Amino acid sequence: EPEVTQTPSHQVTQMGQEVILRCVPISNHLYFYWYRQILGQKVEFLVSFYNNEISEKSEIFDDQFSVERPDGSNFTLKIRSTKLEDSAMYFCASIGESYNEQFFGPGTRLTVL
Amino acid sequence: RKEVEQDPGPFNVPEGATVAFNCTYSNSASQSFFWYRQDCRKEPKLLMSVYSSGNEDGRFTAQLNRASQYISLLIRDSKLSDSATYLCVVRNQAGTALIFGKGTTLSVSS
Repeated sequence: EPEVTQTPSHQVTQMGQEVILRCVPISNHLYFYWYRQILGQKVEFLVSFYNNEISEKSEIFDDQFSVERPDGSNFTLKIRSTKLEDSAMYFCASIGESYNEQFFGPGTRLTVL
Repeated sequence: RKEVEQDPGPFNVPEGATVAFNCTYSNSASQSFFWYRQDCRKEPKLLMSVYSSGNEDGRFTAQLNRASQYISLLIRDSKLSDSATYLCVVRNQAGTALIFGKGTTLSVSS
């Protein structure tokens, strides 16, 4: 069964450093997403990406964040200068033509020290 | 008002019990409704979509009341493996973001 994959599973970084989180969505899917979940809190939408551009973003997705689809398979989230409050689980998701189920990757746990 | 509200629980029930979760959403234009399940420190996984006529999948029954902006999930004959957090999820337009509730925690004990 096709699945969304994410690397790394856990990333530890120092405050102020740049991090890039990587995702490989399901190959024939059209929309790609990043969500985050701070420990003990709800899953929050960050950004959606369609046709090689951002289609929607939340208030959380400020200038410190960027997304890219550098090739036909990878989808990345970059945080330019990490803050302590960026510590969270980051989930990538993708959806196909049915626009029904969003498939989530296993997540990257980001710890900012 | 929060976009999607759920009773956080926890719900502690014995095996075999029937348990019901409720959820309300604030945007009357919401188009799609789901229940996701999330195990500890794992990704959300779709449990079932929720249709206006109500739908059932084995031991799980979902109901939607658009007039009241209310969604429910009923789990019959609870199993130990049902222990998880159940997330009420809404989408306002096709292809756009999912809006999650904070989740209701279920613990099923033997």
